[in-house]
Amino acid sequence: SQQGEEDPQALSIQEGENATMNCSYKTSINNLQWYRQNSGRGLVHLILIRSNEREKHSGRLRVTLDTSKKSSSLLITASRAADTASYFCATDRGSGYSTLTFGKGTMLLVSP
Amino acid sequence: DTAVSQTPKYLVTQMGNDKSIKCEQNLGHDTMYWYKQDSKKFLKIMFSYNNKELIINETVPNRFSPKSPDKAHLNLHINSLELGDSAVYFCASSPVRTGANVLTFGAGSRLTVL
Repeated sequence: SQQGEEDPQALSIQEGENATMNCSYKTSINNLQWYRQNSGRGLVHLILIRSNEREKHSGRLRVTLDTSKKSSSLLITASRAADTASYFCATDRGSGYSTLTFGKGTMLLVSP
Repeated sequence: DTAVSQTPKYLVTQMGNDKSIKCEQNLGHDTMYWYKQDSKKFLKIMFSYNNKELIINETVPNRFSPKSPDKAHLNLHINSLELGDSAVYFCASSPVRTGANVLTFGAGSRLTVL
């Protein structure tokens, strides 16, 4: 089954810097989503990008999708300490009874 | 009101015991899921139910038995617990079965088997 792979596995930056995380996947998709997980909590949906879209913005988040390379990136601009969390990409084939397949996540640490 | 609530949040038990985790969603979603997150944070789908009907059953040992009494509830019962069952179990729900499945997750139930 397809599986997203995020890189880097861990990222440490200072407040105010930008954070970029990448995700690669193996098979065709209907859409790709990014989720955030704070320590000890459930995942929270951040943004969805469809296979026919190349870029999407939501507040300080910018997501790109390159279906020819089967990759996506999540950029968080002007990061804050509150952005410290793990970030997961999830792929959705969107056919039949599909479910989201998650990657292993990138752990982001934003220091004040 | 919590959208997807799971109980208990923490569960510590001995090998061989049977335990249950309950999940309820008040979002009116038709589809519910159980995911398992291991110690390396890898999330894997276990089951998916649509309107009380099992639609996804990944290769999960049959010691795990989900039950959906109605579309707002999806419980997970685990028999004969093993050390390898220790993980965080997440319940989630989504409003559609196909297309853009955006999931709303519960806070997780951390199971520790001793």
